[in-house]
Amino acid sequence: DSGVTQTPKHLITATGQRVTLRCSPRSGDLSVYWYQQSLDQGLQFLIQYYNGEERAKGNILERFSAQQFPDLHSELNLSSLELGDSALYFCASSVQPQGKRWYEQFFGPGTRLTVL
Amino acid sequence: GQQVMQIPQYQHVQEGEDFTTYCNSSTTLSNIQWYKQRPGGHPVFLIQLVKSGEVKKQKRLTFQFGEAKKNSSLHITATQTTDVGTYFCAGLGYSGGGADGLTFGKGTHLIIQP
Repeated sequence: DSGVTQTPKHLITATGQRVTLRCSPRSGDLSVYWYQQSLDQGLQFLIQYYNGEERAKGNILERFSAQQFPDLHSELNLSSLELGDSALYFCASSVQPQGKRWYEQFFGPGTRLTVL
Repeated sequence: GQQVMQIPQYQHVQEGEDFTTYCNSSTTLSNIQWYKQRPGGHPVFLIQLVKSGEVKKQKRLTFQFGEAKKNSSLHITATQTTDVGTYFCAGLGYSGGGADGLTFGKGTHLIIQP
């Protein structure tokens, strides 16, 4: 158990719909990262938040958005869903002390999204 | 953009044989991390390499970072069934400004035959 929690575990929805995935980081971790894992694309970095602010952006579609709340939990919003959005979505968290750019990330169990 | 290639995609070995996976980046990396993902599980951090030519060992696992900081390898000696999983490298590139995300390789799936 990494200490990172994600809900829901599974999500089945239809094309065109909107869903929200939730992540609670490890206690004390200020950084939250979102990843998409699909069979053909591997593990793709989507976005990072640090203490409520966007820190880094990867291959995140405009239909997707995220935010980190004052209690440090984060939500990933996926809208206008397409079949190709079906994937495993991981959240990860890390400590981010000053002076260093990257730390080991602790991954949550993931949310499996199926778009029908 | 930065690309991280990882080979082989799949590796079948007999239990007790050695295993190596290689990671190559299209650009110079500031550091590289390795993760392991068991079937049905989530990625778990193994190690981070930062210095040019760095070599680190964890029991039967040996990690190397190339002199040019564009490639890395993970070598497992005498594989065991507990080593089964997918091994990912993840690189952090240099940026002129602002933060970068990690770029993951597509992973090497290690399959062990008893």
